[in-house]
Amino acid sequence: DAGVTQSPTHLIKTRGQHVTLRCSPISGHKSVSWYQQVLGQGPQFIFQYYEKEERGRGNFPDRFSARQFPNYSSELNVNALLLGDSALYLCASSLMNSVLGGYTFGSGTRLTVV
Amino acid sequence: GIQVEQSPPDLILQEGANSTLRCNFSDSVNNLQWFHQNPWGQLINLFYIPSGTKQNGRLSATTVATERYSLLYISSSQTTDSGVYFCAVDRGSTLGRLYFGRGTQLTVWP
Repeated sequence: DAGVTQSPTHLIKTRGQHVTLRCSPISGHKSVSWYQQVLGQGPQFIFQYYEKEERGRGNFPDRFSARQFPNYSSELNVNALLLGDSALYLCASSLMNSVLGGYTFGSGTRLTVV
Repeated sequence: GIQVEQSPPDLILQEGANSTLRCNFSDSVNNLQWFHQNPWGQLINLFYIPSGTKQNGRLSATTVATERYSLLYISSSQTTDSGVYFCAVDRGSTLGRLYFGRGTQLTVWP
């Protein structure tokens, strides 16, 4: 079985641009969460989607948005990029909203804003 | 939100040594996981352990939910064990949101 897949693996953008990151969950997983990890810290929660609806949002500005598609894959969009958005963006999937068995993470997208 | 504290922040060992990593959390949790982050950034799930004890090879973990802590034991360390170990918890009231500690940076020398 394929694990959680994220694309692209690396990305370099200029301040003010927008970016779209993609995530495909493990087959059968309906919940997808997004996390931002800056250097030296643990991942910080951005969004959770379950059955195509937003179920949770972390403390991030409105420049961050996401959606989940009928096949349960997800996109994270960030507009008006700032230097501080440079980070590793991680996607996690789980079986169901009640988190039986925990989360599985993808390899991440490393975003650099210059 | 829930506070997750990990100790020690850094740990340097020689190959073959044993170690214990600790995770304290500030409230009752629905889920607790230990992850190993490899140098490429991927979080590898080690244990899903909201309570009790589990073992997987040289690694074992114990969570005492009533006292709000978890321990990760690494025996006979190998250089490939190097990396950052994270503890993360999920509260029943905010399903889908994992709260992470700051991690323990483990370096194992040959």
